[in-house]
Parts: sequence; C-alpha cells; structure tokens
Amino acid sequence: SQWGEENLQALSIQEGEDVTMNCSYKTYTTVVQWYRQKSGKGPAQLILIRSNEREKRSGRLRATLDTSSQSSSLSITGTLATDTAVYFCATDANSAGNKLTFGIGTRVLVRP
Amino acid sequence: NSKVIQTPRYLVKGQGQKAKMRCIPEKGHPVVFWYQQNKNNEFKFLINFQNQEVLQQIDMTEKRFSAECPSNSPCSLEIQSSEAGDSALYLCASSPGNTGQLYFGEGSKLTVL
Repeated sequence: SQWGEENLQALSIQEGEDVTMNCSYKTYTTVVQWYRQKSGKGPAQLILIRSNEREKRSGRLRATLDTSSQSSSLSITGTLATDTAVYFCATDANSAGNKLTFGIGTRVLVRP
Repeated sequence: NSKVIQTPRYLVKGQGQKAKMRCIPEKGHPVVFWYQQNKNNEFKFLINFQNQEVLQQIDMTEKRFSAECPSNSPCSLEIQSSEAGDSALYLCASSPGNTGQLYFGEGSKLTVL
C-alpha cells in the first residue's frame, strides 16, 4: 500500500506543552497534508507541505517533510485543550483527481 | 463549520438492507470523494467524481455500492445489501481540484445489525 507507517499512537500531554507527531510513507507524493479530526466531526486540513518544501509554518503548527526518508512531522507548540483530536497525515501518490491516502492517525489528548 | 453537508448523520440497517447516504459538496467544488472510516480510524477510499463522472473507485464500490453525483442534486452513496463489516463512518469530501485540499462533511455513521 501507499502507507504509511504511522502506527496509531496515543499521546497525553498537559496544556501548554509542545507535541510532535510523525508519519512515513512508501511511495512518491507531491504533497503531504495534515488533518485534524475532532470527536464526532469530519477531518479538517491543518497544513499542506509540498515535495519541494522542507518546512511549513502556520500559527502554532510546524510541518516538516524529508523526501529522502519519505517522512513528515507535525509539531504543535503551546497546546490547548481544544487541540485534543486525532491527527492524520495524507499523501496523494501523485494520483489523478487528488485522491488522498490517509495514515492511521495519532490521538492527542491535551489535559487542561 | 463544515460546508459539506451529509445526511443522515446516523443510520441503522439490518443485514441485507439498502443503506443510502447523501452529500452536498461545497459550492463550486467539482471533485467529490467518499471515504469509509472504520472504528480504528482507518480510512478507505471508495470513489471519487469530477463533476458527474467517476474518476476512480475500488472493486468493493463497483461491486456492492451504487454512487452518483448528478448535476444540481446531492451526491449519493448506496450500499445495495448491507453487511456487518460495512458498519463505519462514511465521509464525503469535496475539493476545488487545484489545491489538493479536501473539505470534509461530518459523516454518516452506519450501523449494520
């Protein structure tokens, strides 16, 4: 499969701490996207990093991409209780129609 | 709040029954996706459309599901004969097609008894 060897992790951290989650993928992708899914909701995109970028920042979020090792990370600084969610990375395998393949996800619980 | 509208939010079916879910994509988005998310949070791509045409679909979808995205009507995904293993969250997403970003609805949770 395309994936994506981001084994399901569960992280529990205190509000205000930083957190980093990782994913790796097997085949070429033009982009890596990170999504967040809160309980009872659909996923929402957080950040997109292209294959020619090494790092992308958006507010408290920082994504990195290492195409040589086919891995990406997402860091959240100064976590809030509202960051509690499952985080997924997704790749497109350069497929037609922008089909995304999602990894297993990292469950993050931020304790207030 | 999601601009992709999925109905119903919940449905309960017996084995062998049909199960139909609908999706109104975000206005102006020509590409629509359906994914199945199981209780372990794993995603399975089912099918995608560009306008009314199927772009890609997996074997399971072709054999057991009926899906369409007619113009000026909601898209739909229907399982012809539900099985216990179909119990999952069915997520619809739309895309403008040029950014790669998917915009998801809140999903339809199917329980097959």
